[in-house]
Amino acid sequence: AQSVTQLDSQVPVFEEAPVELRCNYSSSVSVYLFWYVQYPNQGLQLLLKYLSGSTLVESINGFEAEFNKSQTSFHLRKPSVHISDTAEYFCAVISPGGNTPLVFGKGTRLSVIA
Amino acid sequence: SAVISQKPSRDICQRGTSLTIQCQVDSQVTMMFWYRQQPGQSLTLIATANQGSEATYESGFVIDKFPISRPNLTFSTLTVSNMSPEDSSIYLCSVVGKETQYFGPGTRLLVL
Repeated sequence: AQSVTQLDSQVPVFEEAPVELRCNYSSSVSVYLFWYVQYPNQGLQLLLKYLSGSTLVESINGFEAEFNKSQTSFHLRKPSVHISDTAEYFCAVISPGGNTPLVFGKGTRLSVIA
Repeated sequence: SAVISQKPSRDICQRGTSLTIQCQVDSQVTMMFWYRQQPGQSLTLIATANQGSEATYESGFVIDKFPISRPNLTFSTLTVSNMSPEDSSIYLCSVVGKETQYFGPGTRLLVL
């Protein structure tokens, strides 16, 4: 069985400061890894994903995540956050093949303070 | 990619009543999933719905409370039966694509 652990339930950070949201996974097979974002009162949106290849993946709004197989981690980072980044961030894992659903972490609430 | 719509987008219901949520996908998919997101919580899988077979429910969810229909490859319904305030949540349907999973916008349910 797969599981995802998001180590921080809440992360407050000042605007323009860097941030790292931590995610560790557990799986006995290869996985695809995802970060989803949910802005206040909005639906779930895919932020970025790792499927294979380069271990560093980037989103269009400045976030990046690095797949570390030895540490079974997929931490999300941004060098300088904006107020608009305030949201709930979910790390998720799925087995390649498309026959099983995503397994989500409990989420990390990022609050950016002006 | 897949575009998913849900109806209703939100509703306020009285305890003891039932609500049926519809999920429509713009392409044919074999597997559809229903999730629940309780206030301030992560997503929890309710069940997997395959066309032509009974839905498979996760631990803690039963068919009598959350009956699911899957009449064809683009449509599914989830009914929340005999509702209580604890059922107040966002309910999302989802489908698996080639390399990711797509989500509907969700149905926000408040039970009074």
